[in-house]
Amino acid sequence: NAGVTQTPKFRILKIGQSMTLQCTQDMNHNYMYWYRQDPGMGLKLIYYSVGAGITDKGEVPNGYNVSRSTTEDFPLRLELAAPSQTSVYFCASSYLFDGSVEYEQYFGPGTRLTVT
Amino acid sequence: KNEVEQSPQNLTAQEGEFITINCSYSVGISALHWLQQHPGGGIVSLFMLSSGKKKHGRLIATINIQEKHSSLHITASHPRDSAVYICAVSRAPGRGSQGNLIFGKGTKLSVKP
Repeated sequence: NAGVTQTPKFRILKIGQSMTLQCTQDMNHNYMYWYRQDPGMGLKLIYYSVGAGITDKGEVPNGYNVSRSTTEDFPLRLELAAPSQTSVYFCASSYLFDGSVEYEQYFGPGTRLTVT
Repeated sequence: KNEVEQSPQNLTAQEGEFITINCSYSVGISALHWLQQHPGGGIVSLFMLSSGKKKHGRLIATINIQEKHSSLHITASHPRDSAVYICAVSRAPGRGSQGNLIFGKGTKLSVKP
């Protein structure tokens, strides 16, 4: 199994540009997450999904959009990039049985995004 | 006040030393996670626990639910243990979305040879 894969690894965007960060998992996990990590801060949840077709906002959703059309894929869309979105982005997945019994989260390698 | 607090923020140790990293939390939880972030940036799960103690090799994690406190211990530390160790908790059912983690800011560990 490849686990959780993310592309690209690095990206530089100009202010106002848009892009999509890709995330794919091959473990048949029902839950998927997008986090951002800023220097000196803990990871913050942007969006999450409990299954195909179901997404919800996390702690810091402004400026981002997600979709989950398949179990495997959970892309994160940045519209009108701003310098405040400069960060490292991690995708993760896990399995929750019946929405309550949880297992460990598996993380992708991260995408380092700079907006200038 | 952050819902998950870790101490210390930075820790330097000599090879072979016994290391303890602490985590306190202020919310009801269903599980506590210890994660390791390597200098290259990748994050891996070390432990997930909801009670008692777990051990993997030289790593031991304990949790005291009543005191809302967990510790991560590393025995016979080695330079390859140098990393950031992150504590995270998932909320108890009925207190927000299950499985969503609240993260501490991490403890940066450096083990000198």
